[in-house]
Amino acid sequence: GENVEQHPSTLSVQEGDSAVIKCTYSDSASNYFPWYKQELGKRPQLIIDIRSNVGEKKDQRIAVTLNKTAKHFSLHITETQPEDSAVYFCAASLKGVYGNKLVFGAGTILRVKS
Amino acid sequence: DTGVSQDPRHKITKRGQNVTFRCDPISEHNRLYWYRQTLGQGPEFLTYFQNEAQLEKSRLLSDRFSAERPKGSFSTLEIQRTEQGDSAMYLCASSLMGELFFGEGSRLTVL
Repeated sequence: GENVEQHPSTLSVQEGDSAVIKCTYSDSASNYFPWYKQELGKRPQLIIDIRSNVGEKKDQRIAVTLNKTAKHFSLHITETQPEDSAVYFCAASLKGVYGNKLVFGAGTILRVKS
Repeated sequence: DTGVSQDPRHKITKRGQNVTFRCDPISEHNRLYWYRQTLGQGPEFLTYFQNEAQLEKSRLLSDRFSAERPKGSFSTLEIQRTEQGDSAMYLCASSLMGELFFGEGSRLTVL
């Protein structure tokens, strides 16, 4: 089955610095890679996603890169702000007989120090 | 509110009791997922529906867990004979074209 590894488990950065979170996946058939942000006590919310036909996608301060050959993808947050502090989860689609489901990484706790 | 809603938000029960959670997805979404999340972990897949058909169940899901989506709209997740290890946040999500929209979750505490 699919396995998604996420690193680091915790990340502390100074406000204004960049943060990078990395994930690897095992199923070469995976073709959809979303990133979710979960604030304390709240629901996970999609912040950016990428499909396997592109290598990079950017949305303001957030970017995701995908290396299909190496089976890894990364989240990049630039000019971090205190409100970026949260838990971030990567996920990869796993193709089943009837359709896709998402398999999630264990999460990265990001702390942005002001 | 047109998002995914879950009820109850919190449930405390004694070991051995049965509990049921309800999920109301976004109305036009045909896919509905149940995930379980414990502290410090990512959401773990339990089962999913396309319309009223349950298409897949996790191998990790014991026979004490059952889910239904009788009319292809809301879904229920029942846990029978609860155990302390069932304590977790149970998340429901719905989708139409890939992106999962999560509910706020139902937190279960088994004493």
